[in-house]
Amino acid sequence: QLQLQESGPGLVKPSETLSLTCIVSGGSISSNNYYWGWIRQPPGKGLEWIGNIYYGGSTYYKPSLKSRVTISVDTSKNQFSLKLTSVTAADTAVYYCAREWTTINMNYFDPWGQGTLVTVSS
Amino acid sequence: SSELTQDPAVSVALGQTVRITCQGDSLRVYYASWYQQKPGQAPVAVIYGKNNRPSGIPDRFSGASSGTTASLTITGAQAEDEADYYCNSRDSSGNLRVFGGGTKLTVL
Repeated sequence: QLQLQESGPGLVKPSETLSLTCIVSGGSISSNNYYWGWIRQPPGKGLEWIGNIYYGGSTYYKPSLKSRVTISVDTSKNQFSLKLTSVTAADTAVYYCAREWTTINMNYFDPWGQGTLVTVSS
Repeated sequence: SSELTQDPAVSVALGQTVRITCQGDSLRVYYASWYQQKPGQAPVAVIYGKNNRPSGIPDRFSGASSGTTASLTITGAQAEDEADYYCNSRDSSGNLRVFGGGTKLTVL
């Protein structure tokens, strides 16, 4: 059974870089038809897609975050990572990683990691 | 357009049927997927594609799509179905993903 687990600091200072890793277990990150995504949820608000990556390295990012986001993959460690630079309080959120199955006309996220709360504060 | 629009809140009497909708231009081309999120928990997929349920999801959950509107129907709502529901799909370019704002379902 595939499982994803987010890891990284729970507190980041304003203007610094948020770095999270998603460790994938129970299956290979190098699988066709799957993207690997990051989604966040500010406290009390809805879900926001951040971006995704294919094991070959191709990425897509939400346009409003694109200048600050980098998603990378390490197939040797079966994990992928998120970096978000120049963070502000508005980046405080629960960050989820998820596997995304895609076909020509659909996509869905399953499973999800448990999520990790990242607070931006000095 | 890259937006998906959901009603903020919907209520249903226990055992009755409720439909939650999601509107967006990209839904003419791409199917929506639906997620259930209970307080303090990660979202869980309940419907994807034309009308597919991941393993373990009860068959009272079903999905449909027509034009720019996708819908999630719960037939015979149970108390445990009270949760936030989010739709997700691609944007019109097909490369990006977008979530709806979410619908809070109350089971009365």
